[in-house]
Amino acid sequence: DAGVTQSPTHLIKTRGQQVTLRCSPKSGHDTVSWYQQALGQGPQFIFQYYEEEERQRGNFPDRFSGHQFPNYSSELNVNALLLGDSALYLCASSTLAALYEQYFGPGTRLTVT
Amino acid sequence: KQEVTQIPAALSVPEGENLVLNCSFTDSAIYNLQWFRQDPGKGLTSLLLIQSSQREQTSGRLNASLDKSSGRSTLYIAASQPGDSATYLCAVGDSNYQLIWGAGTKLIIKP
Repeated sequence: DAGVTQSPTHLIKTRGQQVTLRCSPKSGHDTVSWYQQALGQGPQFIFQYYEEEERQRGNFPDRFSGHQFPNYSSELNVNALLLGDSALYLCASSTLAALYEQYFGPGTRLTVT
Repeated sequence: KQEVTQIPAALSVPEGENLVLNCSFTDSAIYNLQWFRQDPGKGLTSLLLIQSSQREQTSGRLNASLDKSSGRSTLYIAASQPGDSATYLCAVGDSNYQLIWGAGTKLIIKP
């Protein structure tokens, strides 16, 4: 059973560009959460998707948007990239019945230059 | 607003020693507390989850305690091994099913 997978592993973008990160949840999971982890910091919650709808959102600007597909996979989109968006982006999956029991992917390292 | 703090930020100990990692939180109205391990390139792995009604949880050489009234949790690692080297993060679960994270303690076990 494959766990949570994320792609790409690493990404380098220029300020002002747009980026799309992808996540496939663990088999049997229907809820996907996205986190941003700056170097030396703990993860910060971006948003959570369930049944293709954004269920909750953290304190992130509208430049951060997402989508969940019928197969429960998810995308994170960031527009108008800033240098401060450089971070490790983590995807976690869970079931709605056990939202605290999150399984994390290896993350995508985004560098904005 | 809930804030989670972990001290120390980094710790280096010889192999075989027992050690304690600390986590403190400002709001005692928590649903649970989890300890995670983060290895480079491998994401986060949940080690122990303590419900708000529990005092401690144990898994192998790991023991986590929770004192809600004082806003503290500790992760005790017995007989440390080089393979325990990683960053350890604690996360508090709030009533909105969100996790609020500390910045982590980077642990190095010297052979």
